[in-house]
Amino acid sequence: AQSVTQLDSHVSVSEGTPVLLRCNYSSSYSPSLFWYVQHPNKGLQLLLKYTSAATLVKGINGFEAEFKKSETSFHLTKPSAHMSDAAEYFCVVSDLGGTSYGKLTFGQGTILTVHP
Amino acid sequence: DVKVTQSSRYLVKRTGEKVFLECVQDMDHENMFWYRQDPGLGLRLIYFSYDVKMKEKGDIPEGYSVSREKKERFSLILESASTNQTSMYLCASLPSGRGKYNEQFFGPGTRLTVL
Repeated sequence: AQSVTQLDSHVSVSEGTPVLLRCNYSSSYSPSLFWYVQHPNKGLQLLLKYTSAATLVKGINGFEAEFKKSETSFHLTKPSAHMSDAAEYFCVVSDLGGTSYGKLTFGQGTILTVHP
Repeated sequence: DVKVTQSSRYLVKRTGEKVFLECVQDMDHENMFWYRQDPGLGLRLIYFSYDVKMKEKGDIPEGYSVSREKKERFSLILESASTNQTSMYLCASLPSGRGKYNEQFFGPGTRLTVL
């Protein structure tokens, strides 16, 4: 069984300040982990993914995430927030779980608000 | 670029109506998925299909059925719509191979309201 917990349902930051969105996961297998972003009235877009090649993963738009197996965490960070980062962010875990494809389990989502 | 399209962005239906949501992908992906998205619950898997005419139940299949007659098209059917099916519905596709390492590609979503 696998699960994902996003520790904050809402995060509010000022433009130019760092962003931290927290995610903890559990998985019976060695998982892959993803962060997706959803802007208002848009579909989900992949930000970055961890596939065991490197623990620090860089994504689009200056985001990065670090896989910490000992802490079962995959927190998303960005050094300096931009107004266009305002969106909902989903942490997702994928493992085979006996299937031939990656079964995705989504976190509950974190809404990021960026103030001028 | 992979493109996943959904037939409607917004849909309003009445209780008891039969509702069809259509999804088309243009990248020859074997796997297709239907999710519903509700505030505070993230996305939950309704059904998926790993080949033409093949389907499997996801986590919340009750009240839904699906059809996949062609590789590029995956339909979600609400046999008799109810108000608790008011939600955002997202379709996704996924290529085979590399299993858990592949990301799914999502359509823009259909916001369904059942009155």
